[in-house]
Amino acid sequence: AQKVTQAQTEISVVEKEDVTLDCVYETRDTTYYLFWYKQPPSGELVFLIRRNSFDEQNEISGRYSWNFQKSTSSFNFTITASQVVDSAVYFCALKRGANNLFFGTGTRLTVIP
Amino acid sequence: EAGVAQSPRYKIIEKRQSVAFWCNPISGHATLYWYQQILGQGPKLLIQFQNNGVVDDSQLPKDRFSAERLKGVDSTLKIQPAKLEDSAVYLCASSSLVRDTQYFGPGTRLTVL
Repeated sequence: AQKVTQAQTEISVVEKEDVTLDCVYETRDTTYYLFWYKQPPSGELVFLIRRNSFDEQNEISGRYSWNFQKSTSSFNFTITASQVVDSAVYFCALKRGANNLFFGTGTRLTVIP
Repeated sequence: EAGVAQSPRYKIIEKRQSVAFWCNPISGHATLYWYQQILGQGPKLLIQFQNNGVVDDSQLPKDRFSAERLKGVDSTLKIQPAKLEDSAVYLCASSSLVRDTQYFGPGTRLTVL
């Protein structure tokens, strides 16, 4: 069985604040992949990052950073100095082997100017 | 490089009518996916093709949904007859065989009245 939990349904922050989106996953597989996607109001899912289960290095890309901790089965996403353009629904997803993506329910982020 | 193309972007039909959606994947991507995203939920896979063969259609309601990818490039998803609960966004995604990160199109928002 697999499960992806994004407990935060909605988050609102004021522009320039930092915000962390939580993702907790469940899987019995030792090899798996984790993803984050952004879905702006236009509706298209935009790929942000892919991480495999053997690579626990944190990653930073501009204002975005990701913290992967196998010990707590978490793959959290932090946006530093948030901007209005960051307003979107963010999805965490799990892929086991050749199986397809299993998405969480998403977190709606609103950045208030 | 052009992204995944989908049409139409919006469709409104009455229940029991039929509807078809079209998807053209990223050039060179052998794998194509159709997802259904109900409001407030994450996308759920309906069907996966590799070239023109079906890899996974276990979640496709085959009594009313059908999909084809005859020439291994673009694909059509059909619903006949539509029900109220089919109201959703239908997302198409594609990936290459080398790196299976999925890239999504803008989706088709279907409203069934």
